[in-house]
Amino acid sequence: SQTIHQWPATLVQPVGSPLSLECTVEGTSNPNLYWYRQAAGRGLQLLFYSVGIGQISSEVPQNLSASRPQDRQFILSSKKLLLSDSGFYLCAWSPRTGGWNEQFFGPGTRLTVL
Amino acid sequence: LAKTTQPISMDSYEGQEVNITCSHNNIATNDYITWYQQFPSQGPRFIIQGYKTKVTNEVASLFIPADRKSSTLSLPRVSLSDTAVYYCLVGPISSGSARQLTFGSGTQLTVLP
Repeated sequence: SQTIHQWPATLVQPVGSPLSLECTVEGTSNPNLYWYRQAAGRGLQLLFYSVGIGQISSEVPQNLSASRPQDRQFILSSKKLLLSDSGFYLCAWSPRTGGWNEQFFGPGTRLTVL
Repeated sequence: LAKTTQPISMDSYEGQEVNITCSHNNIATNDYITWYQQFPSQGPRFIIQGYKTKVTNEVASLFIPADRKSSTLSLPRVSLSDTAVYYCLVGPISSGSARQLTFGSGTQLTVLP
């Protein structure tokens, strides 16, 4: 069966510090991968998605970036965090041939920027 | 992009059937309707998906009228553990169109004892 991992689970960082969140998927090949952010009490905002190694599409202009160095690894990064980067970050995957409608989400990372 | 409108919140009691309606007046011909459930501090979980008429699985039913401008998620005999946020999404099934996946604010369902 497929599983998706995210770490760390929680993170408290000062403004201006760098960020690296990692997501890995097991049990499937060539997945579509996604990064979402959820602000408190709000819906999910799609940040990035990837259909293959090295292929990243950005949905929202921001100081965040994403990379996919391996087929089942997706990394969210920032060089300098802003207060507005606080939120709940979720990684998700979907089968390459199944489309985007059914996505499987990881446990998330709670980021607090102080 | 088809915009969706859902009630912000709903209350129900244990054992009752709950119906959450989503409006999507601008749904396109190739759009599907998908519902997700999210518990606090967890990622959303896929519940059900449909194109027209009725779809039923072990968790819920999805009713879609002929004009497809709305849909209703039906949860039979809810329990306290069904308290969660429910999201309605509309968009095409296409691996290359992830940009069209939009989660709104969802509906906060609270099940009371």
